[in-house]
Amino acid sequence: DSGVTQTPKHLITATGQRVTLRCSPRSGDLSVYWYQQSLDQGLQFLIQYYNGEERAKGNILERFSAQQFPDLHSELNLSSLELGDSALYFCASSSQGLAYNEQFFGPGTRLTVL
Amino acid sequence: QQQVKQSPQSLIVQKGGISIINCAYENTAFDYFPWYQQFPGKGPALLIAIRPDVSEKKEGRFTISFNKSAKQFSLHIMDSQPGDSATYFCAAIPAGTASKLTFGTGTRLQVTL
Repeated sequence: DSGVTQTPKHLITATGQRVTLRCSPRSGDLSVYWYQQSLDQGLQFLIQYYNGEERAKGNILERFSAQQFPDLHSELNLSSLELGDSALYFCASSSQGLAYNEQFFGPGTRLTVL
Repeated sequence: QQQVKQSPQSLIVQKGGISIINCAYENTAFDYFPWYQQFPGKGPALLIAIRPDVSEKKEGRFTISFNKSAKQFSLHIMDSQPGDSATYFCAAIPAGTASKLTFGTGTRLQVTL
């Protein structure tokens, strides 16, 4: 158990809908990351937050947005969902968000768009 | 554009054998090279990592070899065990205050009895 929690575990929704994925980092960790894992794209970095502020952005679509709240939990919002958004979404956390800090991954949320 | 190329895609090794997974990168800004292990239904977990100022790092049965001039690095699993059966990802992170992990495509390892 990494100490990172993600809810829900599974999510099934329809095209065009909007969903919110939630992540609670390990106690004491200030940085949160979001990754998408799909069969065709592999594991891709989406976005990083540090202590409430966006620190780095990867291949995140404009239909997706994220935020980190004062209690350090984070939410990833996915809107206007398409079939291709079906994937595993992982949240990770690290202490300071620096390159050498180990990232601890949560168990993931499996999103299925029908 | 795949910034970190990983091979092979899958690997079958007998128990007690050596598993070798290779990765290559193009971006010279990469400054930290971790390997992650992922079991089915779980998130990736850090296995071992190396910085480019050393050519080899060993932790137990796991060794990373790093060739900076060739921009290649590899994971060696000695005395492979059935419990090592998992998907392995190499990754790279550029220097700086951000921490954008770029992953390879993954290698599915199966260790047979």
